[in-house]
Amino acid sequence: KNEVEQSPQNLTAQEGEFITINCSYSVGISALHWLQQHPGGGIVSLFMLSSGKKKHGRLIATINIQEKHSSLHITASHPRDSAVYICAVSKYGNKLVFGAGTILRVKS
Amino acid sequence: DTEVTQTPKHLVMGMTNKKSLKCEQHMGHRAMYWYKQKAKKPPELMFVYSYEKLSINESVPSRFSPECPNSSLLNLHLHALQPEDSALYLCASSGEDSLNTGELFFGEGSRLTVL
Repeated sequence: KNEVEQSPQNLTAQEGEFITINCSYSVGISALHWLQQHPGGGIVSLFMLSSGKKKHGRLIATINIQEKHSSLHITASHPRDSAVYICAVSKYGNKLVFGAGTILRVKS
Repeated sequence: DTEVTQTPKHLVMGMTNKKSLKCEQHMGHRAMYWYKQKAKKPPELMFVYSYEKLSINESVPSRFSPECPNSSLLNLHLHALQPEDSALYLCASSGEDSLNTGELFFGEGSRLTVL
């Protein structure tokens, strides 16, 4: 079993819909990261969080440390949000463990 | 400046060639990373440098040789690569120390094709 599990693997939404991507992990962590990668491109860090909730524009990330679960929400989704969203957790010692990613496609 | 700059963006090389990938950041970050990413897979950690010293080598074959000449630069020297080494090579940096991975800043990557 992978240490970081994401769901769903693929997600297609209509423009304007509210989107949720989930991440569960099974190891002790110092922080959880949500990353975005557009096709063929580099990776952008969206959030790093160790507790509670963070918001940036239309993106919201939450984490429940006791349940070892995090969610990434996108409100009022737009085609430009189409990308791969990756959950990763920081284990101690500089190691980042990545989930398999969620491929999001937002149709106009 | 919150950028991590990687060059070249694309590289095609033969199995007998020697080439290098370069990464530069001017954020004062003390930890720098090389990741390898195959298509439709998450990145795989290769190397971590902390305060210009190699702190993690994830059992990477010796045909990949990292170098950190100073705190702003990270190189990956390539020699005698195999076609299966074709991938996107991502550099990243963070401001944290060797114990914790802080927020990561990634470059756009260097897409390597080995013929």
